[in-house]
Amino acid sequence: GENVEQHPSTLSVQEGDSAVIKCTYSDSASNYFPWYKQELGKRPQLIIDIRSNVGEKKDQRIAVTLNKTAKHFSLHITETQPEDSAVYFCAARGYTGGFKTIFGAGTRLFVKA
Amino acid sequence: EPEVTQTPSHQVTQMGQEVILRCVPISNHLYFYWYRQILGQKVEFLVSFYNNEISEKSEIFDDQFSVERPDGSNFTLKIRSTKLEDSAMYFCASSQVLGPSGNTIYFGEGSWLTVV
Repeated sequence: GENVEQHPSTLSVQEGDSAVIKCTYSDSASNYFPWYKQELGKRPQLIIDIRSNVGEKKDQRIAVTLNKTAKHFSLHITETQPEDSAVYFCAARGYTGGFKTIFGAGTRLFVKA
Repeated sequence: EPEVTQTPSHQVTQMGQEVILRCVPISNHLYFYWYRQILGQKVEFLVSFYNNEISEKSEIFDDQFSVERPDGSNFTLKIRSTKLEDSAMYFCASSQVLGPSGNTIYFGEGSWLTVV
């Protein structure tokens, strides 16, 4: 079945440094790749997404890149701040008779002040 | 901003009891989902629902689970005979079908189920 692998599981950075989280997906039909941020006890919230016809997208300190050939995509956070500390999930969405979005295992990001 | 709403926020139930979790998706959305998240683990897909029927389900979504849209606004998840391992946060979500935001899933706040 479809699978999304996410690395690293835990990432600790100093405030102001960059953080990079990488994901790979198995279903070549996937065409939409959202990233969610989940704070403790809260719902996952969309922070950025990218579609398969685009290679890179940026929104202020957050950027996402997609390599469809290699089936991997990455989240880049620059100038990290303590409030960026959370669990980040990548996801991939395709259509196989029905829409479903499959999530990676999550990356726990710690930003040290 | 429209939100997906869920009730209850927290429910404690005895093993073997039936549980119904309720959700009100965003009003102009046509695709509805249930996901679950066991404490400290990833968000797992359970089921998607479109046009009043299940469009896809995972292997987790076995015969003890069912979904229903009893009226024009509510979307429910029923667990027939709960087991200890059903303890998790259950997220309802919805998405539009078409348009630039058609793929984006919006999550509710979750219903935390504890089976004792």
